[in-house]
Amino acid sequence: NAGVTQTPKFQVLKTGQSMTLQCAQDMNHEYMSWYRQDPGMGLRLIHYSVGAGITDQGEVPNGYNVSRSTTEDFPLRLLSAAPSQTSVYFCASTSPDSVSYNEQFFGPGTRLTVL
Amino acid sequence: AQSVTQLDSQVPVFEEAPVELRCNYSSSVSVYLFWYVQYPNQGLQLLLKYLSGSTLVESINGFEAEFNKSQTSFHLRKPSVHISDTAEYFCAVSAQGGSEKLVFGKGTKLTVNP
Repeated sequence: NAGVTQTPKFQVLKTGQSMTLQCAQDMNHEYMSWYRQDPGMGLRLIHYSVGAGITDQGEVPNGYNVSRSTTEDFPLRLLSAAPSQTSVYFCASTSPDSVSYNEQFFGPGTRLTVL
Repeated sequence: AQSVTQLDSQVPVFEEAPVELRCNYSSSVSVYLFWYVQYPNQGLQLLLKYLSGSTLVESINGFEAEFNKSQTSFHLRKPSVHISDTAEYFCAVSAQGGSEKLVFGKGTKLTVNP
């Protein structure tokens, strides 16, 4: 199993550009989430999904869109990048079954810089 | 809603000294508790978790944490640290039955000096 994969690993954007951060998991997990990590702020939840076709907002959703057309994929879209979106982005997945309980499995992260 | 407070943003210690990283949580419902570790320039790895049962949980590399319901705490301890334990440690909580949401503390940077 590859676990949770994210692409790209690094990205530099100019203000106003758009892009999609990709996330995929091969563990058949129902739940997937996007977090951003900023110095001194811990990880904050952006959006999450409890299954294909179902998404909801987390703590800091503004400026980001998500969709979940398959169980495996959960892309995060920045429609018009702003310098405040410079951060490290982590995708995670989990399942409420008796093996995983609520343990979230994290991808390696995408380091995004917006100039 | 849940919240997590990690009381120390940075903890410097000498090698082979004991360490305690403090974590307090707030929740109106029963919770699961987690400690994650992030080594420099890497993603997050689960260190240990409390789901139910024994209030003392251990990791394979010598860390332990104790769930204290009355104090709403889940402090992380290690009796003797190594240079390789230098990392950032995050305490996290989720409501039982609400596994799509994990609320993190702001992290504690542990630096182990020779």
